[in-house]
Parts: sequence; structure tokens; C-alpha cells
Amino acid sequence: KAGVTQTPRYLIKTRGQQVTLSCSPISGHRSVSWYQQTPGQGLQFLFEYFSETQRNKGNFPGRFSGRQFSNSRSEMNVSTLELGDSALYLCASSLALLAAQETQYFGPGTRLLVL
Amino acid sequence: AQTVTQSQPEMSVQEAETVTLSCTYDTSESDYYLFWYKQPPSRQMILVIRQEAYKQQNATENRFSVNFQKAAKSFSLKISDSQLGDAAMYFCAFGGSQGNLIFGKGTKLSVKP
Repeated sequence: KAGVTQTPRYLIKTRGQQVTLSCSPISGHRSVSWYQQTPGQGLQFLFEYFSETQRNKGNFPGRFSGRQFSNSRSEMNVSTLELGDSALYLCASSLALLAAQETQYFGPGTRLLVL
Repeated sequence: AQTVTQSQPEMSVQEAETVTLSCTYDTSESDYYLFWYKQPPSRQMILVIRQEAYKQQNATENRFSVNFQKAAKSFSLKISDSQLGDAAMYFCAFGGSQGNLIFGKGTKLSVKP
């Protein structure tokens, strides 16, 4: 099976712009979670989607949003970018809901740099 | 709120030796899951080992094993016969009723030839 894929792999944006990141889970996986990874804060949970519904959300401002499509592919959007949004954004997929109990399979990440 | 603490930001081990990475967590839940994830320099995070809290037996996966002490809320990872390919960031993670994983800050493991 193909692994989790994320596009694009690298992105440079300027403050105030918006960005959309994409994640394709492993075939058959219905849960997709997003994480932000920074040197200072480490790995922080953004949100989890299952069957096209957001099931869980981390402590991030409303500028961070996401969605999941019927084929389980997911996108996350960040509007009005700030310098502090520079990070590695990781997507992970798992078979079932409650990804905290399941093995999660991570993608390679999208490196976002905000100038 | 649950927290996960990895007290060793960096560790170093000689090839073929054994190293133990520490992890402690705080929770009031009795049923939960614990994980060790490895993130090599290429950045793709992979699962090393998974432990279900209701199982007293410590999980093992080849050269990787854990020492799970539920009462002490400790979940250390032991890597035996260390190999150069083990060099990576290792993250301890807690999965409970809140539905998402809570990660520690990570331990950077270096393996010396």
C-alpha cells in the first residue's frame, strides 16, 4: 500500500497570505489527523477528521481550518498567515476514529515558511 | 490535562550498546495507550512500539522494548544492540479519552560508530 502523501512538500508564503495543504491517507484509512511541529512547541495537535466530519480540535485559532472529502483526503487551510505559523505540518492517518488509540501513519510533512 | 515529559533532550549511545529513553506522563485516566514514535532526519515519523495501559506485560518489538510502570506513570524505551539507523528523534506519546495524541518534546538519539 502507498503511504500517506502530503503536498506540497515545501512552501514559502508572506504574512497575511493564506495557504492550503493537502493530505492523502493510506487507502482504507478513514481518520486523518493534523499536527504542527515547531522547535519551540514540539508536536501539537490541530484537528482530526473522520468520515468527512471534524471529530476533535486542538487549541489553535480559527485561522486554522480543515476539511475531509468523501475519499478521505484532507486539506487544511491557514488564513492570514503569521510568522509564527512557520512549521512542519504533519498529517497522519489511521483506520478508525479515536486516533489516540490506533497506530497512526505519518506523512513526510509540509514545511511552511512564512516571511 | 494530560502531559508527557521526556527529561532527556539528547542522548548518545555506542553502536551495539543498549540505551534507555525516559518518559513520564500525567493522567487521571485508567485506560489509555502509550506510544513511542521515531522521527529520522528524513522527517517521516514511524511507530516504534505501542502499549495498552490495561496490559501488564511490557510491549516488545525486536530490539525495542518498554518498561511500563503504570503506578509510577513511567514508560521508558530500551533499545538493545543499537544500530546507526536508530539515530533519530524519539517521541513519547499519550493517547487517552480526549481522542488525540499528546506528545513529549522528544529525545534526540545519536549513535556513535
